[in-house]
Amino acid sequence: DARVTQTPRHKVTEMGQEVTMRCQPILGHNTVFWYRQTMMQGLELLAYFRNRAPLDDSGMPKDRFSAEMPDATLATLKIQPSEPRDSAVYFCASALGTTYNEQFFGPGTRLTVL
Amino acid sequence: GQNIDQPTEMTATEGAIVQINCTYQTSGFNGLFWYQQHAGEAPTFLSYNVLDGLEEKGRFSSFLSRSKGYSYLLLKELQMKDSASYLCAVRVAMNYGGATNKLIFGTGTLLAVQP
Repeated sequence: DARVTQTPRHKVTEMGQEVTMRCQPILGHNTVFWYRQTMMQGLELLAYFRNRAPLDDSGMPKDRFSAEMPDATLATLKIQPSEPRDSAVYFCASALGTTYNEQFFGPGTRLTVL
Repeated sequence: GQNIDQPTEMTATEGAIVQINCTYQTSGFNGLFWYQQHAGEAPTFLSYNVLDGLEEKGRFSSFLSRSKGYSYLLLKELQMKDSASYLCAVRVAMNYGGATNKLIFGTGTLLAVQP
């Protein structure tokens, strides 16, 4: 049963700490997205990759956020240092190709920064 | 800029029909999607329209008018399990040395189905 997996599912940390979230896209999917969802802003695109290369990270605060794909089976989103306003649910999604008709979302990482 | 509008909340009765509207102003339009998201879960794909008209899929239908920048999601024979947030998303074409696309999401419509 092919699905996107994310770890951890929940993370509580203190302000200033580093947070790393991981995503395993569906095998064979070459387009990977990172989203952040809050009640106020809804679902916002942070960054996305095609064939492991970053295409657009304009939605990401560059000073503290970084996204990488070390290999085709792993995408990471890192926040350093974390701030309370980063508290949100972070979703990873993957798709096949660039003219996909569907993105498949992972279960999300619920981040709370105290 | 890119803008997508949909109502914040709606309430409907079990067994009834409900229509959730979405209007958009975007550049590089390349399709419109509807996703369903239950509380605490990930969004799941419902439908996709790229041409004008109605797409039907069981109890769910989605309509698109590109000239009006308008779409709606129609849910028939409502069930309690349809209580969820419904996200309208527009796919816009980007060009990064080869065509690609990204989704811009509306803030979602929270539908409450009552007995």
